[in-house]
Amino acid sequence: EPEVTQTPSHQVTQMGQEVILRCVPISNHLYFYWYRQILGQKVEFLVSFYNNEISEKSEIFDDQFSVERPDGSNFTLKIRSTKLEDSAMYFCASSEPLAGSYEQYFGPGTRLTVT
Amino acid sequence: QKEVEQDPGPLSVPEGAIVSLNCTYSNSAFQYFMWYRQYSRKGPELLMYTYSSGNKEDGRFTAQVDKSSKYISLFIRDSQPSDSATYLCAMSFGGAQKLVFGQGTRLTINP
Repeated sequence: EPEVTQTPSHQVTQMGQEVILRCVPISNHLYFYWYRQILGQKVEFLVSFYNNEISEKSEIFDDQFSVERPDGSNFTLKIRSTKLEDSAMYFCASSEPLAGSYEQYFGPGTRLTVT
Repeated sequence: QKEVEQDPGPLSVPEGAIVSLNCTYSNSAFQYFMWYRQYSRKGPELLMYTYSSGNKEDGRFTAQVDKSSKYISLFIRDSQPSDSATYLCAMSFGGAQKLVFGQGTRLTINP
């Protein structure tokens, strides 16, 4: 069964460093998303991406964040200068709205630890 | 008032029991309603997906949406220890728009 994959599973970085989180969405999907979940808190939307551009972003997604689809398979989230409060699980999701169906399928997540 | 409210539990029931999980929401513009299951430190796994009001059944799982009351439910019949997880409700305004999640309810099924 097709699935969303994410790498790395765990990333440790120092405050102020840049990190890139990688995702391979399900191959025929057209919409891509990043969410994050701080330990013990809700899953929160960060950004959605369609047709090579951002379609929606949350207040969390400030100038320190960027997304890119560098080729036909990968979807990346970059954090330019990490802060302690960026420590969280980051989930990539994708969807393919066939016949009005908008289910979003999530990857296993990348645990980001900022020290 | 929070957009989506969900009792975080924890909820503990014996194996074989019927489990009822619920969420309420404040924005009547939500159109799509989902239930996800999340095991510890894993990604959310889609269980049920419904559009607008009504019921949907899939095996031991039944999802109900009551838009007039802004209330959604997930029922699990013949619960198994493997059903022990955190259950997240999520909803969207439409199309391929962002999901808004509840807090999640931690469920334990005791053998």
